[in-house]
Amino acid sequence: NAGVTQTPKFQVLKTGQSMTLQCAQDMNHNSMYWYRQDPGMGLRLIYYSASEGTTDKGEVPNGYNVSRLNKREFSLRLESAAPSQTSVYFCASSTGTSGSRSYEQYFGPGTRLTVT
Amino acid sequence: SQQGEEDPQALSIQEGENATMNCSYKTSINNLQWYRQNSGRGLVHLILIRSNEREKHSGRLRVTLDTSKKSSSLLITASRAADTASYFCATANQAGTALIFGKGTTLSVSS
Repeated sequence: NAGVTQTPKFQVLKTGQSMTLQCAQDMNHNSMYWYRQDPGMGLRLIYYSASEGTTDKGEVPNGYNVSRLNKREFSLRLESAAPSQTSVYFCASSTGTSGSRSYEQYFGPGTRLTVT
Repeated sequence: SQQGEEDPQALSIQEGENATMNCSYKTSINNLQWYRQNSGRGLVHLILIRSNEREKHSGRLRVTLDTSKKSSSLLITASRAADTASYFCATANQAGTALIFGKGTTLSVSS
């Protein structure tokens, strides 16, 4: 099993450009998540999808959109990139669904995004 | 907003010593989890302790939970250089649908 995969690994964008970060998991997990990690800030939740067909905002959703394409895939889109979106982005998945209390999460390797 | 906060922010020890890091949280929980992140990598789940448990062991890891003080501690015994990483605690958000992570403790183990 590959676990959680993310593409691309690195990306440099100019301000105003758009891009989509891809995430896929092969563990048949119901829930998927997008985080950003900045120095000194820990991980902050951008969006999550508790189950296929649903998405919800996390702590820092502004400037992002997501699509839960199917049970395996959850993409994150930056419509008009800004320097403040320079960060490392992590996708994660878990078996947890609404009402579940487990939430052990499995993380991808991350995408390092620089916006100039 | 952060639910869990780790303490200390950074910790440097010698190989063979024990490392203890703490986590405080604000609201009631069903469980608390600890994760490790090696430099440049994603987070890896270490251990989950449920609210009705006071202590849990996994190999060289020992986690305690004190719900009355809203705090948890992670003890790594006989540390190795390979334990050098950042460690995060995490608890569920109020809706119970996602995890909220603390800012982490950076552990450096020198040989």
